Amino acid sequence: GENVEQHPSTLSVQEGDSAVIKCTYSDSASNYFPWYKQELGKRPQLIIDIRSNVGEKKDQRIAVTLNKTAKHFSLHITETQPEDSAVYFCAAIAYNQGGKLIFGQGTELSVKP
Amino acid sequence: NAGVTQTPKFQVLKTGQSMTLQCAQDMNHNSMYWYRQDPGMGLRLIYYSASEGTTDKGEVPNGYNVSRLNKREFSLRLESAAPSQTSVYFCASSLKLDGEAFFGQGTRLTVV
Repeated sequence: GENVEQHPSTLSVQEGDSAVIKCTYSDSASNYFPWYKQELGKRPQLIIDIRSNVGEKKDQRIAVTLNKTAKHFSLHITETQPEDSAVYFCAAIAYNQGGKLIFGQGTELSVKP
Repeated sequence: NAGVTQTPKFQVLKTGQSMTLQCAQDMNHNSMYWYRQDPGMGLRLIYYSASEGTTDKGEVPNGYNVSRLNKREFSLRLESAAPSQTSVYFCASSLKLDGEAFFGQGTRLTVV
């Protein structure tokens, strides 16, 4: 079955700096990779996702890159702001095999003003 | 449009007691999930239902059972609660397996 590893577990940056969170997955059949943000005491919410036929996707200050050969994908946040402080989760699924949506362990991002 | 609604929000159980966590979605989604969230361990999949009428085990199914009552509702049952099941439980739903998952507000369960 799928296994998703996420690093680092905690990340502290200065406001305006960039932040990068990396995930690796084990199932080569995985083809959908979403990222979720969870603010303190709230539910996770999707911020960006990428499919296996795309190498990179951007949405304003957020981008995700995918390397299928190496089986890893990364979240990039540029020009970080204090409101970016949250826990971020990556996930992976082999949906055309009826697969399970498996999450990484999470990264607690702290953006210091 | 309420989205995904979980009940209850908080619950304290004694070891050995049973209870059912309820989840309902009003978005006509096909897939539904139950996750537990523990510090440092992320969101771990307990059970999921890819479509009405089907259920499958996730990463940590032991000690739990589920029922996909209809397209809207997906319940999680603890038959004999143990302290190791103390956690925050999230229900989620998505239109399809490779679509955005919408989460409920969570249930904080404590087993003493």
